[in-house]
Amino acid sequence: EAGVAQSPRYKIIEKRQSVAFWCNPISGHATLYWYQQILGQGPKLLIQFQNNGVVDDSQLPKDRFSAERLKGVDSTLKIQPAKLEDSAVYLCASSRTSGSSHEQYFGPGTRLTVT
Amino acid sequence: KQEVTQIPAALSVPEGENLVLNCSFTDSAIYNLQWFRQDPGKGLTSLLLIQSSQREQTSGRLNASLDKSSGRSTLYIAASQPGDSATYLCAVLATSGTYKYIFGTGTRLKVLA
Repeated sequence: EAGVAQSPRYKIIEKRQSVAFWCNPISGHATLYWYQQILGQGPKLLIQFQNNGVVDDSQLPKDRFSAERLKGVDSTLKIQPAKLEDSAVYLCASSRTSGSSHEQYFGPGTRLTVT
Repeated sequence: KQEVTQIPAALSVPEGENLVLNCSFTDSAIYNLQWFRQDPGKGLTSLLLIQSSQREQTSGRLNASLDKSSGRSTLYIAASQPGDSATYLCAVLATSGTYKYIFGTGTRLKVLA
C-alpha cells in the first residue's frame, strides 16, 4: 500500500510571495489533515477534510491560508502572501474513518523557509 | 480545552537501557491515543495506537500504556539502541466536538553507543 505523498519536499520563498503544497493520501482514506509543525513544537492541525468537505478549519489563518480537496482525493494548501512566521514543516496525513480506528498516516512533509 | 504535555523534553541514555517516556493530557474524554516517532527532517511514523477502552499495546520492544482516569500514557522502550534516537510524539483524539488530534511537543531521545 502506497503511503501519503507530498510535494515539494522543500521550498524557499521570500515574504509576500505565494506558495502551494500538494498531498495525495492513501487510497481509500476518507479523512485528510494538514498540520503545521514549527521547529521544536508538535504538529498543529490547520484543516481537516472528510471526503471533500471541511470538518475543522478553526486554526487555519484564513486571511492568508486556503486549502481544497478536489473530488475527495488530492488536496492543496496555499499560502498567499507568506510571512516569516510561516516557516515550518507542513505535514499531510490521512486516516480511514471507519469505526474503531482513526489511525493517522503521515507524509514526509514539506519544509518551507520564508526569507 | 485539551492540552497534551510530554516530559522530559529531551533525554540522553546509554545503549541497552530501558526507558519510559511520559505523556499527560488534561481531558479524559478521548477516543484514542497514538504514539509517533519523528526522525530529523522526516514525517511522523505511527508506533502504537491505544483505543480508549484498552490499557496497553505492544509492538516488539515498545509497550504503551493508557490510564484515562489520570490522563496519562507511557511509552516503554526496552533495551534501547542507537537507532531508537528520534523525537517521540504522542497525540490524543478528542471526542469533544470534531474528532481532532492534539499533539504534545515531543521528547527528543538520544541513545548513546
